[in-house]
Amino acid sequence: SQTIHQWPATLVQPVGSPLSLECTVEGTSNPNLYWYRQAAGRGLQLLFYSVGIGQISSEVPQNLSASRPQDRQFILSSKKLLLSDSGFYLCAWSGTFKNYGYTFGSGTRLTVV
Amino acid sequence: QKEVEQDPGPLSVPEGAIVSLNCTYSNSAFQYFMWYRQYSRKGPELLMYTYSSGNKEDGRFTAQVDKSSKYISLFIRDSQPSDSATYLCAMVLFTGTASKLTFGTGTRLQVTL
Repeated sequence: SQTIHQWPATLVQPVGSPLSLECTVEGTSNPNLYWYRQAAGRGLQLLFYSVGIGQISSEVPQNLSASRPQDRQFILSSKKLLLSDSGFYLCAWSGTFKNYGYTFGSGTRLTVV
Repeated sequence: QKEVEQDPGPLSVPEGAIVSLNCTYSNSAFQYFMWYRQYSRKGPELLMYTYSSGNKEDGRFTAQVDKSSKYISLFIRDSQPSDSATYLCAMVLFTGTASKLTFGTGTRLQVTL
């Protein structure tokens, strides 16, 4: 069966520090991968998605970047965090067109101080 | 105007009540409609999905879609305290290579004893 791992679960970082969040998927190949951010009262906002190694689509301009160095690995990064980067970050994967739903990781709660 | 509108609640009901959760949307290109359940500090989990107007039932849950009105609903029968969570509606748009989900802000449900 497929599983998705996301870490760390919580993170407190100072303003201006770098960020690296990692997500890996097991039990499937060539998944579509997604990074979402969830802010209180604002729902889930799609940040990036990837349909293959090295292929990244950005949905909103921001202080973050994403990379997919391996088929089942998706990384969210920032060179210098801002206070506004605080939030709950979720990684998700989906399969082919006939598997429309996303499976989400357990999320990372990031607090920038 | 947001593409997907959802009342944030909170909605408080007694155990055993029938719960009705609703979303409206503006983009007629959305092709599939989903409901996710999210417990506090966890990633969302897929409850149900449907693609056509009408009803789809799964145990105590019924998903209803009215494409002509751009309105979807989730009904929960015989609600239980374990149903207390945030419920997110999501709409699927295919880009050709990936499915992109647009989420509502979520409705927080509290089922009391």
